[in-house]
Amino acid sequence: AQTVTQSQPEMSVQEAETVTLSCTYDTSESNYYLFWYKQPPSRQMILVIRQEAYKQQNATENRFSVNFQKAAKSFSLKISDSQLGDTAMYFCAFKNYGGSQGNLIFGKGTKLSVKP
Amino acid sequence: DAGVTQSPTHLIKTRGQQVTLRCSPKSGHDTVSWYQQALGQGPQFIFQYYEEEERQRGNFPDRFSGHQYPNYSSELNVNALLLGDSALYLCASSPESTDISGNTIYFGEGSWLTVV
Repeated sequence: AQTVTQSQPEMSVQEAETVTLSCTYDTSESNYYLFWYKQPPSRQMILVIRQEAYKQQNATENRFSVNFQKAAKSFSLKISDSQLGDTAMYFCAFKNYGGSQGNLIFGKGTKLSVKP
Repeated sequence: DAGVTQSPTHLIKTRGQQVTLRCSPKSGHDTVSWYQQALGQGPQFIFQYYEEEERQRGNFPDRFSGHQYPNYSSELNVNALLLGDSALYLCASSPESTDISGNTIYFGEGSWLTVV
């Protein structure tokens, strides 16, 4: 069974600085998807960025980028120029390629606090 | 265009009672998944409904059941409530007909269930 591990329960960063959140996963599959979701106090899970395992190029979305190391089964999220609105829980998630949609496997999350 | 809507937002139930949570998927989405998120944890997949049938199920007992209606809305029912069922219940919707990439998965804001 696939597992997702986030080893940093809490992190903090000063506004405008850069922070990296870690995620490792375990799978025997070669094709899959990886995601970072943000969950602010409003509780709604918001997709931040996703990565297809068959793509070697790291995904980037504005201030958010990932470092995907397939052999090491590592998928870290880098947030540049941190903003107060980035304060939230961040979840790393895994999804098998193929099959039905929606079966995401989540890590336990990292609570990020951005300080002014 | 309304996103995924869930009701009720909060509710309190007594041990042994039964509860029904409701979800209306995003317009154009025909697949609905339910997740349980205990305090301080990542969401865990309960089951997924498509074409009014349960298509996939996570590791949850039969006390958890669901239904999907012809208009794609869905219900999550939990019988014989236990204290451990206290959690945020998230509904996620996606369109079956598009690719399986996952960035089409939208989450609602959840229903907070407290069992006393």
